[in-house]
Amino acid sequence: AAGVIQSPRHLIKEKRETATLKCYPIPRHDTVYWYQQGPGQDPQFLISFYEKMQSDKGSIPDRFSAQQFSDYHSELNMSSLELGDSALYFCASSPGTGDNSPLHFGNGTRLTVT
Amino acid sequence: KQEVTQIPAALSVPEGENLVLNCSFTDSAIYNLQWFRQDPGKGLTSLLLIQSSQREQTSGRLNASLDKSSGRSTLYIAASQPGDSATYLCAVGSDTGGFKTIFGAGTRLFVKA
Repeated sequence: AAGVIQSPRHLIKEKRETATLKCYPIPRHDTVYWYQQGPGQDPQFLISFYEKMQSDKGSIPDRFSAQQFSDYHSELNMSSLELGDSALYFCASSPGTGDNSPLHFGNGTRLTVT
Repeated sequence: KQEVTQIPAALSVPEGENLVLNCSFTDSAIYNLQWFRQDPGKGLTSLLLIQSSQREQTSGRLNASLDKSSGRSTLYIAASQPGDSATYLCAVGSDTGGFKTIFGAGTRLFVKA
């Protein structure tokens, strides 16, 4: 079965650079979520989209932005990168937002800022 | 603001033992609760999803229960195996002001052979 695809798997950037992370949800999933997981931390909710509109916003820095495109894939744009942005970034998708809509996670993008 | 707490933070048991992981949440206005498994440096694998109208779900050796009114869920693992060693995360789906799923800090389980 198709899963959530995230690219790239690994990314190394220097401070103050920009990064773009991509997420391709499972086909027919219209809801996308982005999470940030620091070392030894639980996943922190950043932002979600439903039907290409922003649905909710969590602890996402102003330096980050995201959008969901017409084909439902999503991109997380990160600017002015800081050392503290080094983390595993997960994308998840779900078929809608109902109570029977489990989140399916991708394998994540590991971002290292040097 | 929804807060999710998991107890214990870490657990070490001998192989074959039955065990219970606990999850509590502060806002009972949830629409579902999911249990995930995460191996070190890897993604999250969904184990069970309980809808807000349900009391429990079972999959193989796993059984998850939900008591919305008391803000609690438990994950029961029967006959634990070394391959069960991982971090188990509880995640609560909330639709207050938007759709998001909030995670607990997880329980790190180690099953000794």
